[in-house]
Order: sequence, then C-alpha cells, then structure tokens
Amino acid sequence: DQQVKQNSPSLSVQEGRISILNCDYTNSMFDYFLWYKKYPAEGPTFLISISSIKDKNEDGRFTVFLNKSAKHLSLHIVPSQPGDSAVYFCAARQGAQKLVFGQGTRLTINP
Amino acid sequence: DTEVTQTPKHLVMGMTNKKSLKCEQHMGHRAMYWYKQKAKKPPELMFVYSYEKLSINESVPSRFSPECPNSSLLNLHLHALQPEDSALYLCASRRASGGTGELFFGEGSRLTVL
Repeated sequence: DQQVKQNSPSLSVQEGRISILNCDYTNSMFDYFLWYKKYPAEGPTFLISISSIKDKNEDGRFTVFLNKSAKHLSLHIVPSQPGDSAVYFCAARQGAQKLVFGQGTRLTINP
Repeated sequence: DTEVTQTPKHLVMGMTNKKSLKCEQHMGHRAMYWYKQKAKKPPELMFVYSYEKLSINESVPSRFSPECPNSSLLNLHLHALQPEDSALYLCASRRASGGTGELFFGEGSRLTVL
C-alpha cells in the first residue's frame, strides 16, 4: 500500500511561471516531509522540508505547504527556471530512520 | 565534504557471480542506507545501519548481504541475483539523530543482472 502518493507523473510549466507539485499521504504518524529533486544519472538531492507541526516553509524560490487535515502537501517553485526540470520526489519520515518516497513527478520547464 | 560516493557506477553480472557495491561518506554521519530504485518507481528502502549496526532490514532476500565495516563505509554484497534485481542501487547517509531526517544520496550504482 502506497503511503505517499504523487498522482501526477508529469507536469509542464512555462519558464517564469509557478510550478506546483502535489503529494498526498495516508499515515498520520509521519513527522517530517521532504522534497527531493533528481536529475538523470544522479542521486536525489534534498530541496526543502517541513515539520508536521508547521503549515509552511519557504526557502528562496521554493515553498512547501502542509495541510494536515487533508494529508496533503505541495511544493511551489516560483519563478520556474529551465534548470528546475527534473523528477521531484515527495518523502515522509516514519520513525527516526525511515523515509518513504512517493512515485515522483517529472517537471519540465518550457522556455 | 558533502558527498556520498558510490562505486562502481555501472555493474553487469551473471546470475552465478558474486560482486559488491561500495559506498563511502566523510560527513561524520552515523546512519547509512541502501535503497533500490526501479525505472519510473520511487526509491525503496532495503537496509539501514545506525552506528554500524543493522537497524532495519526491509525483508530483503538473503542474496543481498549488507556490511558496514566502519562509520564511513557501507557495502552491499551480491550473490546469485536474478534478472529482476536489475535496478539503480542508491546509498544514502544522515546524522544519526536530530534534524529533519534529511538523507544525502550518492549517484547510485546501476546494476544489470543477465
């Protein structure tokens, strides 16, 4: 059973616009949520995280929003840049050591 | 040094071979991970070592054998693998306690089993 879901396999956005990537989860015991970015032939790199006790965290062009009642989080990238084209994984921390990943969303930024 | 280094980057092996994947980090992290990722799928946790002791084994078949010789090194020994084990194997590390649980990943070792 997939505990972390990213229902959009792909997303295409024009350069300069806002990219919104979504993630849903089922386990209310997750205490941290993280977003990772992955280029081809590279390992995932950490982007931004949010604690389950917060509803927003911002870092430069990246903002993560958490809606605990809906068990939903989203990553906003604004403005989107061509270098943002990658696969984005949502992940949730379960216990002290375990990260559970969503299926990923391929973001393409068009010039 | 904020890198996790994995070798080899690519490995092709037959079903009767014995090979190993290696992972190294010098960030002083005391937790190290093996994940497996198949095409168009999320990374799936295989093993976690915490302070050089195996703390999580996600019911991985015994043909995969992890080893943590010291706090900087993590190996994955492979023996009698099946073609369906072909995947990208990702090593990761993190601080053993505190923080967000952020993992630092290596670039992965792409394994092909013939």
